Amino acid sequence: RKEVEQDPGPFNVPEGATVAFNCTYSNSASQSFFWYRQDCRKEPKLLMSVYSSGNEDGRFTAQLNRASQYISLLIRDSKLSDSATYLCVLNTGGFKTIFGAGTRLFVKA
Amino acid sequence: EAGVAQSPRYKIIEKRQSVAFWCNPISGHATLYWYQQILGQGPKLLIQFQNNGVVDDSQLPKDRFSAERLKGVDSTLKIQPAKLEDSAVYLCASSQTGDQDSPLHFGNGTRLTVT
Repeated sequence: RKEVEQDPGPFNVPEGATVAFNCTYSNSASQSFFWYRQDCRKEPKLLMSVYSSGNEDGRFTAQLNRASQYISLLIRDSKLSDSATYLCVLNTGGFKTIFGAGTRLFVKA
Repeated sequence: EAGVAQSPRYKIIEKRQSVAFWCNPISGHATLYWYQQILGQGPKLLIQFQNNGVVDDSQLPKDRFSAERLKGVDSTLKIQPAKLEDSAVYLCASSQTGDQDSPLHFGNGTRLTVT
């Protein structure tokens, strides 16, 4: 089983839609979680950290479920500019950071 | 704040040739990472430095890949000899401390094509 698994998509949604991605992880000792965004042919950039209590940043909401070992990202009121690949990232402690393969999102007018 | 600098942006070589990539992390960042990203996949860690010491190189193909971080600042990644399957984007990243809450900042990457 992979340490981090994501649905590769692609998710094709119209502008204004709400879309959610999940990411599952296998190492219960994982300590920190992040969502990164990667535009086509660009480098990954930090979108947001994921906290146990859940956190929100504008149209983006991230949640962590330690019992079921998954994190989620919810995007409300999708914009064309949200089209990208969303990478689930976790840190297992001991300086080890692991990336998922990413979920591709296409937002269409 | 200046970002992570990488060069070259693109490189095309023939198999069995050698190639080197350079990275200059954000000033003051203790941790430096080299990732390999093959098309359609997430970044895979090749090597991680904490200052000038290696923290993790478990996924570095040591028969052909080598990396160093001189004086705990700049780093070079070398491939010798290259294989077709080495075609990928090589991403350098740095983080302030490398601990679990320290986000990674990536450079633009070097796109390597091996023919």
